[in-house]
Amino acid sequence: TQLLEQSPQFLSIQEGENLTVYCNSSSVFSSLQWYRQEPGEGPVLLVTVVTGGEVKKLKRLTFQFGDARKDSSLHITAAQPGDTGLYLCAGGPSNAGNNRKLIWGLGTSLAVNP
Amino acid sequence: DTGVSQNPRHKITKRGQNVTFRCDPISEHNRLYWYRQTLGQGPEFLTYFQNEAQLEKSRLLSDRFSAERPKGSFSTLEIQRTEQGDSAMYLCASSPHGSYNSPLHFGNGTRLTVT
Repeated sequence: TQLLEQSPQFLSIQEGENLTVYCNSSSVFSSLQWYRQEPGEGPVLLVTVVTGGEVKKLKRLTFQFGDARKDSSLHITAAQPGDTGLYLCAGGPSNAGNNRKLIWGLGTSLAVNP
Repeated sequence: DTGVSQNPRHKITKRGQNVTFRCDPISEHNRLYWYRQTLGQGPEFLTYFQNEAQLEKSRLLSDRFSAERPKGSFSTLEIQRTEQGDSAMYLCASSPHGSYNSPLHFGNGTRLTVT
């Protein structure tokens, strides 16, 4: 069974600080998606990474896919209160056959205090 | 494109009652997923459809849960004889095809509270 472990589980920081959240597995993924979810809403896709070593930037957010495609990180620079939410990673397993079902991490709950 | 729509947004029911939720996906999406999520946790897969065919159902799902997508458009999720442990957010998502790189478009969920 493929698993995705996210860390930290909870993070509370002050506005302006930098942070990194991690998504790790012992398994290889064909791609990895990052979502952000705000209270009372569904997750919204932030980015998809598909190539080992790939780095993608979305304004103050930087996403990296590990060289071996087993892990990923999300770095936020100068966090703002609007970044508050649950950050979820989801991987497309490389051995799923016909079952095209994402594997989800449990999420990192981020609170950015003004 | 109005996004994925779920109804109702909130449902409070007594233990033992049946409930039904509806999901209207993005119109051109042929894949539809149901997930369950508890507070602060990631989504837990329940089932998914390609068009009207239900391709997979989680083994964690008891026989009290059933989902349909009769015409390959909207879907319903029914929970019979609800239990307090069924209290959760039920999320529906759709995608245009089955590639792992296709993003899931989620609705805002139906929050179920079983008293």
